[in-house]
Amino acid sequence: GQNIDQPTEMTATEGAIVQINCTYQTSGFNGLFWYQQHAGEAPTFLSYNVLDGLEEKGRFSSFLSRSKGYSYLLLKELQMKDSASYLCAGSARQLTFGSGTQLTVLP
Amino acid sequence: DTGVSQDPRHKITKRGQNVTFRCDPISEHNRLYWYRQTLGQGPEFLTYFQNEAQLEKSRLLSDRFSAERPKGSFSTLEIQRTEQGDSAMYLCASSLTGDHEQFFGPGTRLTVL
Repeated sequence: GQNIDQPTEMTATEGAIVQINCTYQTSGFNGLFWYQQHAGEAPTFLSYNVLDGLEEKGRFSSFLSRSKGYSYLLLKELQMKDSASYLCAGSARQLTFGSGTQLTVLP
Repeated sequence: DTGVSQDPRHKITKRGQNVTFRCDPISEHNRLYWYRQTLGQGPEFLTYFQNEAQLEKSRLLSDRFSAERPKGSFSTLEIQRTEQGDSAMYLCASSLTGDHEQFFGPGTRLTVL
């Protein structure tokens, strides 16, 4: 199987840093995607990791360890608009999504 | 071309009726995917096309579901004899190849009464 696990909910304060973890079974995936989804909207692409290590893109960074089946999304300098669901997805012939982590940013 | 479009955005139907949804991908994208999403869950893969060829179908795609991409451009997803359990958001996505990020459309929200 290709189960993907991520926390259901997280809460953080505006201006803070938050790390959203994602674990998956190590076989079958070529890489790991992160998507952001606001309520009632389509998912939008944030990052794609194929190799081990950290990929930084502005306020968002994503890390992958293929041997450990582990990834995280790091959000810095949180803003209210970052309140959304963050979806971890393993990439094979198609994407296999986790259930998403609902992040609430408080003032 | 500003992105993936889907039509209709909302569909309310009675149980037992047939419905058809359309997806127009980003024009140069060869891959087109259909997903289904219910509240509080991530999207679940249904099927995907490489140009006009349907290459994979999920076990979720019962024989009441059929998808086509006749000319390798737009795609349709038809659900026959709808059931209340079919109520969900149906998302279409496209990508340049299988190794590129997928761009999602706004989705079609189906409600079966």
